[in-house]
Amino acid sequence: QQPVQSPQAVILREGEDAVINCSSSKALYSVHWYRQKHGEAPVFLMILLKGGEQKGHEKISASFNEKKQQSSLYLTASQLSYSGTYFCGTSHAGGTSYGKLTFGQGTILTVHP
Amino acid sequence: DAGVIQSPRHEVTEMGQEVTLRCKPISGHNSLFWYRQTMMRGLELLIYFNNNVPIDDSGMPEDRFSAKMPNASFSTLKIQPSEPRDSAVYFCASKLGSGANVLTFGAGSRLTVL
Repeated sequence: QQPVQSPQAVILREGEDAVINCSSSKALYSVHWYRQKHGEAPVFLMILLKGGEQKGHEKISASFNEKKQQSSLYLTASQLSYSGTYFCGTSHAGGTSYGKLTFGQGTILTVHP
Repeated sequence: DAGVIQSPRHEVTEMGQEVTLRCKPISGHNSLFWYRQTMMRGLELLIYFNNNVPIDDSGMPEDRFSAKMPNASFSTLKIQPSEPRDSAVYFCASKLGSGANVLTFGAGSRLTVL
């Protein structure tokens, strides 16, 4: 089941903040965030696990609401290098679903000087 | 480590031809994924393997697509016969273990079917 991301696109000026949301219709085991620059492969940003564990880059902030089956990625004091498409990937509990990572449609973030 | 290595990086072929995409995962990673990316459908999971065994192939679009992983260091995705709607970027990705670990993507194979 593909997660749903919002908004579809965001335009910012340098220094502004943004929040990208990811929601699932099924109970989540983990949420993964990746960023993809045009013509490149997606690059890992953060993993959030059921139970509160997080793995990721220090400058990236995200939350995981297990009850609401949602996650949010917080981009603060944006820089030009933050531009790209952000994907959330989700996995679900049960059987082989733990390892199966399904991605949302992506959120295009553009940061202008 | 060289990362996940995919070949070819670009492939242009004519409708009806067989296409084989190749992937070498990161050494020691035992889970491997094939994704397809298009503007319309985003990043779709086609199939994933754990310890060389296909675990979930529910995303494979139809019988024209097949994937194999004969050993821990090599996987192929084959399309036969190819159609214009198969044009996309195909990513291979690998990770350690079967749980929630970092997924590392290859650079992708851009396929154009004329």
